[in-house]
Amino acid sequence: DQQVKQNSPSLSVQEGRISILNCDYTNSMFDYFLWYKKYPAEGPTFLISISSIKDKNEDGRFTVFLNKSAKHLSLHIVPSQPGDSAVYFCAANNAGNMLTFGGGTRLMVKP
Amino acid sequence: DAGVIQSPRHEVTEMGQEVTLRCKPISGHDYLFWYRQTMMRGLELLIYFNNNVPIDDSGMPEDRFSAKMPNASFSTLKIQPSEPRDSAVYFCASSLRVGVNQPQHFGDGTRLSIL
Repeated sequence: DQQVKQNSPSLSVQEGRISILNCDYTNSMFDYFLWYKKYPAEGPTFLISISSIKDKNEDGRFTVFLNKSAKHLSLHIVPSQPGDSAVYFCAANNAGNMLTFGGGTRLMVKP
Repeated sequence: DAGVIQSPRHEVTEMGQEVTLRCKPISGHDYLFWYRQTMMRGLELLIYFNNNVPIDDSGMPEDRFSAKMPNASFSTLKIQPSEPRDSAVYFCASSLRVGVNQPQHFGDGTRLSIL
């Protein structure tokens, strides 16, 4: 029973263009969401988060959008840079302080 | 400022052996989490501690797995006896508190291979 799903295992984007990574969830009780980035042989690194009471949060090149009615969130990276190439995980938190992670999307930004 | 430190980085051992993974959280962080990453199940939470006390261990797969946090700066995850299906990358993470603006900080993981 996957409560958090990232349906695209990979995404390829040209440098300078926008990258859009998507995430769907099923549990309406999740109270906040996070995006993590992971490079090979390293642990996930926190990128950006959003509370369930908001629909947008922006930090530099990174913006997260939350559509609660559709149970969908997305991460926009603009402009994309080659250093953004990594695996991106979305995660959702329930009231028990436990994160549930999606399966990840591998982003490749081509120079 | 040191991040979360895990040891060893790699462990290869034969099935039936005891395996101990170690974690030093970021100083001052009250929460510590153990995760396992596999191809089949992705990144899943095994157990977490608050102020050295285990709060939720519902993700621990079976009795062969145990975790302890004897003090605020050290935690272990033990598998005894180990089996080939335990092969995975195990991550430790810590956070100051929990909340939307209190992200978990991950170590670089221990890659475990059980032959």
